[in-house]
Amino acid sequence: DVKVTQSSRYLVKRTGEKVFLECVQDMDHENMFWYRQDPGLGLRLIYFSYDVKMKEKGDIPEGYSVSREKKERFSLILESASTNQTSMYLCASSPTGASYEQYFGPGTRLTVT
Amino acid sequence: GDSVTQMEGPVTLSEEAFLTINCTYTATGYPSLFWYVQYPGEGLQLLLKATKADDKGSNKGFEATYRKETTSFHLEKGSVQVSDSAVYFCAHSGGFKTIFGAGTRLFVKA
Repeated sequence: DVKVTQSSRYLVKRTGEKVFLECVQDMDHENMFWYRQDPGLGLRLIYFSYDVKMKEKGDIPEGYSVSREKKERFSLILESASTNQTSMYLCASSPTGASYEQYFGPGTRLTVT
Repeated sequence: GDSVTQMEGPVTLSEEAFLTINCTYTATGYPSLFWYVQYPGEGLQLLLKATKADDKGSNKGFEATYRKETTSFHLEKGSVQVSDSAVYFCAHSGGFKTIFGAGTRLFVKA
């Protein structure tokens, strides 16, 4: 079974702090994604990566950056956390192939106070 | 642009009732279509998929058929259980990016 793990299930940070969210997948997938999930808005893509050291902006990249130094690890960085970044963050991975189905981690619920 | 529209929830059903959650999409080309499910406190997991027109995806009693002529991929289950209570997301993907619908919350009462 594909396993995608995220470093924390719950996180509380203060406004202005630098926040790191880590994601690791164990199935050698080329593609990795970061989404945020908010009530009524569904999933919104923040960034994705299709190879090591490669990254592409998604629909809402402002206030975020990412790092992919190794194939299995994709980190999301909030350079200076703000209260409007309080959300559920979901990491996913997918192989490059016929259908591009995605495999999700359990999510990190981040609260910025 | 590409999009996915699914029926708004919440949908509330009694156990053993028939379920339909409607989903329509707009996309260029011929994307793969998916239903994902999210149980409380968890990430999304793939429920079923279809990769070409007229394909039927099925899993755990759920099924959906890829209808190119109506650009639809409606989710159905003949007899729901309390354990099916979750949020269901319709999605399509033609490449790296996947477009998700807003999700439909299903409550099943015993």
